[in-house]
Amino acid sequence: AQTVTQSQPEMSVQEAETVTLSCTYDTSENNYYLFWYKQPPSRQMILVIRQEAYKQQNATENRFSVNFQKAAKSFSLKISDSQLGDTAMYFCAFMKNYGGATNKLIFGTGTLLAVQP
Amino acid sequence: DAMVIQNPRYQVTQFGKPVTLSCSQTLNHNVMYWYQQKSSQAPKLLFHYYDKDFNNEADTPDNFQSRRPNTSFCFLDIRSPGLGDAAMYLCATSRLGTGEAFFGQGTRLTVV
Repeated sequence: AQTVTQSQPEMSVQEAETVTLSCTYDTSENNYYLFWYKQPPSRQMILVIRQEAYKQQNATENRFSVNFQKAAKSFSLKISDSQLGDTAMYFCAFMKNYGGATNKLIFGTGTLLAVQP
Repeated sequence: DAMVIQNPRYQVTQFGKPVTLSCSQTLNHNVMYWYQQKSSQAPKLLFHYYDKDFNNEADTPDNFQSRRPNTSFCFLDIRSPGLGDAAMYLCATSRLGTGEAFFGQGTRLTVV
Protein backbone atom coordinates (compact mmCIF):
# COMPACT_ATOMS: atom_id res chain seq x y z
CA ALA A 1 0.00 0.00 0.00
CA GLN A 2 1.09 3.52 -0.70
CA THR A 3 1.61 6.01 2.11
CA VAL A 4 2.28 9.73 2.08
CA THR A 5 3.94 11.47 5.03
CA GLN A 6 4.12 15.17 5.81
CA SER A 7 6.23 15.73 8.90
CA GLN A 8 5.46 19.42 9.38
CA PRO A 9 1.96 19.93 10.82
CA GLU A 10 2.33 23.72 10.82
CA MET A 11 4.65 26.27 9.29
CA SER A 12 4.86 30.03 9.24
CA VAL A 13 6.57 32.38 6.79
CA GLN A 14 6.85 36.11 6.38
CA GLU A 15 5.26 37.71 3.37
CA ALA A 16 7.67 37.83 0.37
CA GLU A 17 9.90 35.14 1.89
CA THR A 18 10.45 31.60 0.63
CA VAL A 19 9.20 28.48 2.37
CA THR A 20 9.64 24.76 1.70
CA LEU A 21 7.12 22.12 2.66
CA SER A 22 8.31 18.52 2.97
CA CYS A 23 6.71 15.31 1.79
CA THR A 24 7.91 11.73 1.63
CA TYR A 25 6.07 8.75 0.23
CA ASP A 26 6.38 5.03 0.06
CA THR A 27 5.50 2.94 -2.96
CA SER A 28 6.72 -0.01 -4.95
CA GLU A 29 5.25 1.45 -8.13
CA ASN A 30 7.41 2.97 -10.81
CA ASN A 31 4.78 4.92 -12.69
CA TYR A 32 2.82 7.45 -10.68
CA TYR A 33 1.92 11.06 -10.14
CA LEU A 34 2.64 13.31 -7.19
CA PHE A 35 0.69 16.43 -6.37
CA TRP A 36 0.50 19.35 -4.03
CA TYR A 37 -3.02 20.51 -3.28
CA LYS A 38 -3.98 23.67 -1.45
CA GLN A 39 -7.07 23.93 0.74
CA PRO A 40 -7.76 27.53 1.81
CA PRO A 41 -10.11 28.34 4.68
CA SER A 42 -13.05 28.24 2.21
CA ARG A 43 -12.23 24.50 2.00
CA GLN A 44 -12.25 23.91 -1.78
CA MET A 45 -9.23 21.81 -2.69
CA ILE A 46 -7.18 23.29 -5.51
CA LEU A 47 -4.33 21.70 -7.42
CA VAL A 48 -1.08 23.65 -7.00
CA ILE A 49 1.37 21.54 -8.96
CA ARG A 50 1.77 18.07 -10.44
CA GLN A 51 4.80 15.87 -11.11
CA GLU A 52 4.94 12.75 -13.24
CA ALA A 53 7.35 10.21 -11.82
CA TYR A 54 8.92 9.37 -15.17
CA LYS A 55 9.96 12.99 -15.68
CA GLN A 56 13.30 13.94 -14.18
CA GLN A 57 12.71 17.65 -14.55
CA ASN A 58 11.12 19.28 -11.53
CA ALA A 59 7.72 20.84 -12.15
CA THR A 60 7.29 24.60 -11.82
CA GLU A 61 4.16 26.75 -11.76
CA ASN A 62 4.92 30.46 -11.33
CA ARG A 63 5.99 30.91 -7.68
CA PHE A 64 5.59 27.21 -6.89
CA SER A 65 8.22 24.60 -7.63
CA VAL A 66 9.01 21.10 -6.46
CA ASN A 67 12.13 19.17 -5.63
CA PHE A 68 11.40 15.61 -6.72
CA GLN A 69 13.90 13.01 -5.58
CA LYS A 70 12.59 9.69 -6.88
CA ALA A 71 15.22 7.44 -5.34
CA ALA A 72 14.73 9.07 -1.94
CA LYS A 73 10.94 9.15 -2.41
CA SER A 74 10.88 12.79 -1.49
CA PHE A 75 8.70 15.51 -2.98
CA SER A 76 9.01 18.98 -1.42
CA LEU A 77 7.18 22.15 -2.40
CA LYS A 78 8.91 25.51 -2.52
CA ILE A 79 6.83 28.66 -2.44
CA SER A 80 8.74 31.78 -3.44
CA ASP A 81 7.68 35.35 -2.71
CA SER A 82 4.99 34.14 -0.29
CA GLN A 83 1.71 36.03 -0.37
CA LEU A 84 -1.04 36.35 2.21
CA GLY A 85 -3.32 34.39 -0.11
CA ASP A 86 -0.99 31.40 0.19
CA THR A 87 -2.25 30.84 3.73
CA ALA A 88 -3.89 27.42 3.59
CA MET A 89 -3.56 23.75 4.38
CA TYR A 90 -1.26 22.07 1.89
CA PHE A 91 -1.64 18.39 1.12
CA CYS A 92 0.86 16.21 -0.66
CA ALA A 93 -0.83 13.44 -2.65
CA PHE A 94 0.00 10.34 -4.66
CA MET A 95 -1.77 8.59 -7.52
CA LYS A 96 -0.75 5.48 -9.40
CA ASN A 97 -0.60 5.92 -13.15
CA TYR A 98 -2.30 2.77 -14.28
CA GLY A 99 -3.92 2.03 -17.59
CA GLY A 100 -6.64 0.36 -15.52
CA ALA A 101 -9.29 1.40 -13.08
CA THR A 102 -7.57 2.06 -9.79
CA ASN A 103 -6.82 5.77 -9.90
CA LYS A 104 -6.85 6.34 -6.16
CA LEU A 105 -5.64 9.71 -4.92
CA ILE A 106 -3.97 9.26 -1.53
CA PHE A 107 -3.29 12.25 0.70
CA GLY A 108 -0.75 13.05 3.38
CA THR A 109 -1.84 14.56 6.69
CA GLY A 110 -1.27 18.12 5.56
CA THR A 111 0.82 21.15 6.54
CA LEU A 112 -0.93 24.27 7.71
CA LEU A 113 0.94 27.24 6.28
CA ALA A 114 0.45 30.71 7.72
CA VAL A 115 1.85 33.67 5.81
CA GLN A 116 2.49 36.56 8.17
CA PRO A 117 2.28 40.20 7.03
CA ASP B 1 -17.37 27.02 -16.52
CA ALA B 2 -16.90 23.28 -16.28
CA MET B 3 -16.83 22.23 -12.69
CA VAL B 4 -17.72 19.87 -9.87
CA ILE B 5 -20.80 20.88 -7.91
CA GLN B 6 -21.86 19.48 -4.58
CA ASN B 7 -25.28 19.93 -3.05
CA PRO B 8 -26.13 20.96 -0.49
CA ARG B 9 -23.18 22.93 0.92
CA TYR B 10 -24.45 22.36 4.45
CA GLN B 11 -26.63 19.48 5.61
CA VAL B 12 -28.03 18.87 9.07
CA THR B 13 -29.51 15.46 9.73
CA GLN B 14 -30.84 13.64 12.72
CA PHE B 15 -29.04 10.74 14.32
CA GLY B 16 -30.08 7.60 12.44
CA LYS B 17 -32.02 9.39 9.69
CA PRO B 18 -30.82 8.48 6.18
CA VAL B 19 -29.23 11.29 4.23
CA THR B 20 -28.05 11.66 0.63
CA LEU B 21 -25.35 13.98 -0.63
CA SER B 22 -25.04 14.73 -4.31
CA CYS B 23 -22.27 15.57 -6.72
CA SER B 24 -22.47 16.57 -10.35
CA GLN B 25 -19.78 17.33 -12.90
CA THR B 26 -19.63 18.97 -16.29
CA LEU B 27 -16.09 17.78 -17.00
CA ASN B 28 -17.13 14.41 -18.46
CA HIS B 29 -14.53 12.70 -16.31
CA ASN B 30 -14.70 8.92 -16.00
CA VAL B 31 -13.44 8.71 -12.42
CA MET B 32 -15.39 10.09 -9.46
CA TYR B 33 -14.36 9.97 -5.82
CA TRP B 34 -15.99 10.48 -2.43
CA TYR B 35 -13.79 11.57 0.46
CA GLN B 36 -14.57 12.14 4.12
CA GLN B 37 -12.60 14.90 5.81
CA LYS B 38 -12.79 15.51 9.52
CA SER B 39 -11.49 18.69 11.07
CA SER B 40 -7.75 19.26 10.53
CA GLN B 41 -7.28 15.81 9.01
CA ALA B 42 -6.40 14.52 5.58
CA PRO B 43 -9.26 13.53 3.27
CA LYS B 44 -10.02 9.85 3.62
CA LEU B 45 -11.13 8.00 0.48
CA LEU B 46 -14.44 6.22 0.95
CA PHE B 47 -14.90 4.87 -2.58
CA HIS B 48 -14.41 5.74 -6.20
CA TYR B 49 -15.92 4.91 -9.57
CA TYR B 50 -14.22 4.25 -12.83
CA ASP B 51 -17.16 4.72 -15.17
CA LYS B 52 -19.71 2.41 -13.54
CA ASP B 53 -17.14 0.19 -11.84
CA PHE B 54 -17.44 0.73 -8.12
CA ASN B 55 -14.34 0.49 -5.91
CA ASN B 56 -14.95 0.41 -2.19
CA GLU B 57 -12.16 1.02 0.31
CA ALA B 58 -11.72 -1.88 2.70
CA ASP B 59 -12.27 0.28 5.78
CA THR B 60 -15.33 2.16 4.53
CA PRO B 61 -18.22 1.34 6.87
CA ASP B 62 -21.24 -0.49 5.43
CA ASN B 63 -23.29 2.50 6.56
CA PHE B 64 -21.92 4.37 3.52
CA GLN B 65 -23.24 3.55 0.07
CA SER B 66 -22.88 5.20 -3.30
CA ARG B 67 -24.68 5.39 -6.62
CA ARG B 68 -23.57 6.65 -9.98
CA PRO B 69 -26.54 6.60 -12.35
CA ASN B 70 -24.62 8.29 -15.19
CA THR B 71 -21.31 9.99 -15.95
CA SER B 72 -22.41 13.34 -14.58
CA PHE B 73 -23.90 12.41 -11.21
CA CYS B 74 -22.76 10.57 -8.13
CA PHE B 75 -24.51 10.20 -4.78
CA LEU B 76 -23.34 9.37 -1.29
CA ASP B 77 -25.95 7.70 0.90
CA ILE B 78 -25.46 7.42 4.63
CA ARG B 79 -28.03 4.91 5.82
CA SER B 80 -27.96 5.60 9.55
CA PRO B 81 -25.77 8.58 10.38
CA GLY B 82 -24.02 8.56 13.70
CA LEU B 83 -22.38 11.45 15.52
CA GLY B 84 -19.01 10.20 14.26
CA ASP B 85 -20.11 10.72 10.67
CA ALA B 86 -20.18 14.48 11.07
CA ALA B 87 -17.56 15.74 8.64
CA MET B 88 -16.91 17.50 5.38
CA TYR B 89 -17.62 15.25 2.41
CA LEU B 90 -15.64 16.01 -0.72
CA CYS B 91 -16.45 14.87 -4.23
CA ALA B 92 -13.75 14.88 -6.88
CA THR B 93 -13.40 13.84 -10.50
CA SER B 94 -10.52 12.80 -12.66
CA ARG B 95 -9.92 11.71 -16.23
CA LEU B 96 -8.06 8.42 -16.29
CA GLY B 97 -4.46 8.92 -17.34
CA THR B 98 -4.28 12.66 -16.76
CA GLY B 99 -3.40 12.43 -13.09
CA GLU B 100 -5.33 15.48 -11.97
CA ALA B 101 -8.38 15.56 -9.73
CA PHE B 102 -10.90 18.38 -9.54
CA PHE B 103 -12.78 18.93 -6.31
CA GLY B 104 -16.16 20.30 -5.43
CA GLN B 105 -16.63 22.75 -2.56
CA GLY B 106 -17.75 19.99 -0.24
CA THR B 107 -20.82 19.30 1.88
CA ARG B 108 -20.50 19.87 5.59
CA LEU B 109 -22.64 17.30 7.37
CA THR B 110 -23.83 17.89 10.92
CA VAL B 111 -25.54 15.08 12.85
CA VAL B 112 -27.79 16.11 15.73
